[in-house]
Amino acid sequence: KQEVTQIPAALSVPEGENLVLNCSFTDSAIYNLQWFRQDPGKGLTSLLLIQSSQREQTSGRLNASLDKSSGRSTLYIAASQPGDSATYLCAPQVWGMFSGGYNKLIFGAGTRLAVHP
Amino acid sequence: DAEITQSPRHKITETGRQVTLACHQTWNHNNMFWYRQDLGHGLRLIHYSYGVQDTNKGEVSDGYSVSRSNTEDLPLTLESAASSQTSVYFCASSESTDYGYTFGSGTRLTVV
Repeated sequence: KQEVTQIPAALSVPEGENLVLNCSFTDSAIYNLQWFRQDPGKGLTSLLLIQSSQREQTSGRLNASLDKSSGRSTLYIAASQPGDSATYLCAPQVWGMFSGGYNKLIFGAGTRLAVHP
Repeated sequence: DAEITQSPRHKITETGRQVTLACHQTWNHNNMFWYRQDLGHGLRLIHYSYGVQDTNKGEVSDGYSVSRSNTEDLPLTLESAASSQTSVYFCASSESTDYGYTFGSGTRLTVV
């Protein structure tokens, strides 16, 4: 059974710092991996999607890497801002043949980020 | 712009009542999903559909049902609401496994 762990669970930093959020998953047979952002009381906003054949994706100040063999993904946030404060969720998509016949998005518990001015 | 909308945003209901949560997407996505989010459990898959007339159970499907009569809608029904079903419910859709998921804004359901 695929399990997803995100470290740290919470992070509080001053504005301007470069950040690293970690995600590990137990089953390397994934189709792709998606990073989401969730603001309090809101839905999930997709940040980056990394296909299994890719090593990384970048969008603005965000960069996500994927190492399937070690079961790890990392989200880098450069020059953090107070507007980055949110919970960040990692979600690998497991191949259907390994999860009861359907592709399935498995979520970690998230990293709660607070960026102070 | 295409979107995925959920209604209602908030719902309070009594134990034992039947409740239906709506999900409507204008992306023309074949794949649609329902998740619930609870503290300590994260997001868990309830039901999913890969197209019209197709529905499948997820990992926490007991007490829930869905139907897919068209591409745009996947309503989630709680047959007889229980306090354990108090949660935030999210609907999602995707074009295919090659593309990411798009989520709705969620429905906060309280069963009293």
